[in-house]
Amino acid sequence: KQEVTQIPAALSVPEGENLVLNCSFTDSAIYNLQWFRQDPGKGLTSLLLIQSSQREQTSGRLNASLDKSSGRSTLYIAASQPGDSATYLCAAYNNNDMRFGAGTRLTVKP
Amino acid sequence: NAGVTQTPKFRVLKTGQSMTLLCAQDMNHEYMYWYRQDPGMGLRLIHYSVGEGTTAKGEVPDGYNVSRLKKQNFLLGLESAAPSQTSVYFCASRSFGRQRTEAFFGQGTRLTVV
Repeated sequence: KQEVTQIPAALSVPEGENLVLNCSFTDSAIYNLQWFRQDPGKGLTSLLLIQSSQREQTSGRLNASLDKSSGRSTLYIAASQPGDSATYLCAAYNNNDMRFGAGTRLTVKP
Repeated sequence: NAGVTQTPKFRVLKTGQSMTLLCAQDMNHEYMYWYRQDPGMGLRLIHYSVGEGTTAKGEVPDGYNVSRLKKQNFLLGLESAAPSQTSVYFCASRSFGRQRTEAFFGQGTRLTVV
């Protein structure tokens, strides 16, 4: 059974700082990993999808990497802004199902 | 583009009442999922379906039933609601295949059982 863990649970940084969010998974036989953003009381917004054959994906200030052998993915946010404040969730795809981590709640202070 | 639509968006139930949540997708996706989200616990998988007429249990299936009679719809039923089922419910869909199978989510249903 796939288990997904995200560390830290919460993170507070000053504006402009570069930061890394971590996602680990127990079953390396994943074939996709997806990062989402969730604002309070809202739904999920897809940020990046990494296929198992890829090692990283980039979109603007976001860069996500995937290391299947070590069971880890990281989401790098460059030059953080107050508008980046949200909860970030990762989801690992195995065969038919998708399992989520509990998320990292990010606060970027002006 | 409608994407994934959940109905209703909000609902208050009394303990013991029943209800059905509807998830509809217009992307011809084979896979559909139901999750619940509780504070500090991320999303937990309730049930999922890999195609019309098929369903399977996820992490927390007890107290819920599902049906997928049409490819575009995935229904989540609560036969006898309990306060422990107070949560936000999300539906998702994605296409079959190993490559580029990005998941799309509905906006959620906030359910309160009193």
